[in-house]
Amino acid sequence: QQPVQSPQAVILREGEDAVINCSSSKALYSVHWYRQKHGEAPVFLMILLKGGEQKGHDKISASFNEKKQQSSLYLTASQLSYSGTYFCGTEVGNQFYFGTGTSLTVIP
Amino acid sequence: DAGITQSPRYKITETGRQVTLMCHQTWSHSYMFWYRQDLGHGLRLIYYSAAADITDKGEVPDGYVVSRSKTENFPLTLESATRSQTSVYFCASSGQVYYGYTFGSGTRLTVV
Repeated sequence: QQPVQSPQAVILREGEDAVINCSSSKALYSVHWYRQKHGEAPVFLMILLKGGEQKGHDKISASFNEKKQQSSLYLTASQLSYSGTYFCGTEVGNQFYFGTGTSLTVIP
Repeated sequence: DAGITQSPRYKITETGRQVTLMCHQTWSHSYMFWYRQDLGHGLRLIYYSAAADITDKGEVPDGYVVSRSKTENFPLTLESATRSQTSVYFCASSGQVYYGYTFGSGTRLTVV
């Protein structure tokens, strides 16, 4: 039931772009994205409720392809503050599952 | 202070002991959740609650008990702690099922 994220880890230089993918074997009804910094709690970034929906938050945006049961998180012009582990979360039935996580490290 | 608070932040307990982790939120959110986070497993749902007196099992409920007599509190009890329950526990709340979750700071539990 747990959605699979790819890549597992990525290292970027400041200013570079990254894409994190989230795939589910089950039908998706909504997708959440969270960022967790080391030793801290996950922080909610955004939610996508409908297939085809796209959202943006500063230089972080996401898309949701309901038919492909996938969501992608786009980070453009990455900053040092973007470092952390990114989780997608998906609603399956009446339960909610977090993805396997993607560790993102931004270096100067 | 407004928000969601967990206590204690750190806890060491012995195998076989009962331990309760506390979670309190001040927003009157309907939904509350308990997750455990382990390396290699990510965040896994233990129990959730849609309202006071309504609770349901998540993905990994065995060995845990929850109650929710008041909207703002959602304690998690390990009835007889085992070493496999060593983990970081996060409580979260949400106003609606389609809203994002707000997490507490977590409780790092070590069972020795």
